[in-house]
Amino acid sequence: AQSVAQPEDQVNVAEGNPLTVKCTYSVSGNPYLFWYVQYPNRGLQFLLKYITGDNLVKGSYGFEAEFNKSQTSFHLKKPSALVSDSALYFCAVRDPDAYSGAGSYQLTFGKGTKLSVIP
Amino acid sequence: EPEVTQTPSHQVTQMGQEVILRCVPISNHLYFYWYRQILGQKVEFLVSFYNNEISEKSEIFDDQFSVERPDGSNFTLKIRSTKLEDSAMYFCASSAGLRSYEQYFGPGTRLTVT
Repeated sequence: AQSVAQPEDQVNVAEGNPLTVKCTYSVSGNPYLFWYVQYPNRGLQFLLKYITGDNLVKGSYGFEAEFNKSQTSFHLKKPSALVSDSALYFCAVRDPDAYSGAGSYQLTFGKGTKLSVIP
Repeated sequence: EPEVTQTPSHQVTQMGQEVILRCVPISNHLYFYWYRQILGQKVEFLVSFYNNEISEKSEIFDDQFSVERPDGSNFTLKIRSTKLEDSAMYFCASSAGLRSYEQYFGPGTRLTVT
């Protein structure tokens, strides 16, 4: 069964500093990996994905993530944090080997990491 | 920019009552999903729906739950007889197709069962 771990409940970073939100995963085959962000009273907003190819993927709002197969990690990064980046961040994985034949792909989420960017 | 919408934003119901949560997926999307998040816990998959039938469901999605796409635009989740433990945020999501890997989520419906 696929699973995702986000080891930090909360990450605090000063505005302008680089940020990292950690994620590790477990799947039986090659993973499809995603990051979502949730602002208060809003739904989950897609940030970026890794499917195949370059291990460094770039997404919305200046975020990027690095896929590391040997460490089974997919950490989210941003070179310079903004106060407006403060939100709840979720890592998610899909196991493509679980393809059901009907084209349905469930996401398995981590528990989320609250990012607070301090002015 | 197209987005998934959900109504109501908050639903309060008594234990044993039926509730219907409504979603309007992005118009050209073909795959639809429901997830839920109990307060303080992970977002959990409930069910996926394609071509007017359930394609995948979790063990949470028991006989008390059903889904429907009644009119080509709405996608509904029905809970027949609500329990206290059904209290959660319910998210609807949609994706375009087999080669569109990301799912787009609505803002959620907070269901409170008293």
